[in-house]
Amino acid sequence: KAGVTQTPRYLIKTRGQQVTLSCSPISGHRSVSWYQQTPGQGLQFLFEYFSETQRNKGNFPGRFSGRQFSNSRSEMNVSTLELGDSALYLCASRVTDDRGLGGYTFGSGTRLTVV
Amino acid sequence: AQSVTQLDSHVSVSEGTPVLLRCNYSSSYSPSLFWYVQHPNKGLQLLLKYTSAATLVKGINGFEAEFKKSETSFHLTKPSAHMSDAAEYFCVVSEVLNTGGFKTIFGAGTRLFVKA
Repeated sequence: KAGVTQTPRYLIKTRGQQVTLSCSPISGHRSVSWYQQTPGQGLQFLFEYFSETQRNKGNFPGRFSGRQFSNSRSEMNVSTLELGDSALYLCASRVTDDRGLGGYTFGSGTRLTVV
Repeated sequence: AQSVTQLDSHVSVSEGTPVLLRCNYSSSYSPSLFWYVQHPNKGLQLLLKYTSAATLVKGINGFEAEFKKSETSFHLTKPSAHMSDAAEYFCVVSEVLNTGGFKTIFGAGTRLFVKA
């Protein structure tokens, strides 16, 4: 079956712009989480969605937002981009309410570069 | 409070020798524990998981990990390293929250180098 699909794979934006990243989870996975990965901070949790509701949120400013659609696809948006937002953004989906039995399946990520 | 500590930022081994990547955790409840691997410019791939069943967990590509509650450790091992094992490895702990969501913490990662 198809894995987690993230689009686009690479993106270059200018400071002050906004960006929207997309994630299509594995079919049947209703939980989608987003992570930011940078060399300095490692993997940091952004948010988790389940059935179109945000269930958990990391410690990021309000410029970072997300949503989930009825088909479980998810988008995250970053407004007023800063140079420090340059990172690999990873989306992960998992089987829900199983106390973590399934673990995450990750997409290949979107590499965002802010110039 | 939940936390994960990967004790080595870098590990270097020769091909054919054993691999040991160390991970200690703390958790308020009964956690689920995972190891993931990330090859350059790729997403993370699940290697193995522990979810309160057998304490010795076997994963893909010959990796295994042992859950030791008394030591709060979940070290990853492989008997014989292969060049293709060179990657970054993440230890992860996950708990269910009262809200029904999950709280998942990733370790800082251990980069494994394999010498020919």
